[in-house]
Amino acid sequence: EPEVTQTPSHQVTQMGQEVILRCVPISNHLYFYWYRQILGQKVEFLVSFYNNEISEKSEIFDDQFSVERPDGSNFTLKIRSTKLEDSAMYFCASRRLVGNEQFFGPGTRLTVL
Amino acid sequence: AQSVSQHNHHVILSEAASLELGCNYSYGGTVNLFWYVQYPGQHLQLLLKYFSGDPLVKGIKGFEAEFIKSKFSFNLRKPSVQWSDTAEYFCAVKGNTGKLIFGQGTTLQVKP
Repeated sequence: EPEVTQTPSHQVTQMGQEVILRCVPISNHLYFYWYRQILGQKVEFLVSFYNNEISEKSEIFDDQFSVERPDGSNFTLKIRSTKLEDSAMYFCASRRLVGNEQFFGPGTRLTVL
Repeated sequence: AQSVSQHNHHVILSEAASLELGCNYSYGGTVNLFWYVQYPGQHLQLLLKYFSGDPLVKGIKGFEAEFIKSKFSFNLRKPSVQWSDTAEYFCAVKGNTGKLIFGQGTTLQVKP
């Protein structure tokens, strides 16, 4: 059964550094999402992406964040200058054009020191 | 504003006990409701979903949930839990733009 994959599983970085989190959505899916979960808190929506553009973003998704689908298979989340409060688990999800179920990846745990 | 509230943050049960996890949502449009489960060290998996029709929906692993529109609730139930049900459970509603809005999550610990 096809799955959403994410790399790396764990990323440790210094404050102020740029990080890129990578996701490979399920191949025939057309909607892509990033969510994050700070330890002990709820899963929060960051951004949705369709037809090569952002369709919605949350207040969390400020100028430090960007998303890209560079090659038709990968879907990346970039944080330009990481802050301590960016430490969280980041989940990628994707869904088909028709249907409401989002399929989640295993997550990338980002630790900012 | 759209929101989801899960009443129980941490539930401890013995095996074979019955489970009910509460979920209430605040959303004015057509509701699509979900329960996701996250087993230790694993990713979020869909347990069940409600889009329309029969308000009692059955999911995987013996779980079911009942959509009660008048109470804005979508509680998750299982008649007899197993140790392998130890996990974190998230209720979510699909917002009008397609994003999922999650509750805070409930950690279920089942003692053998």
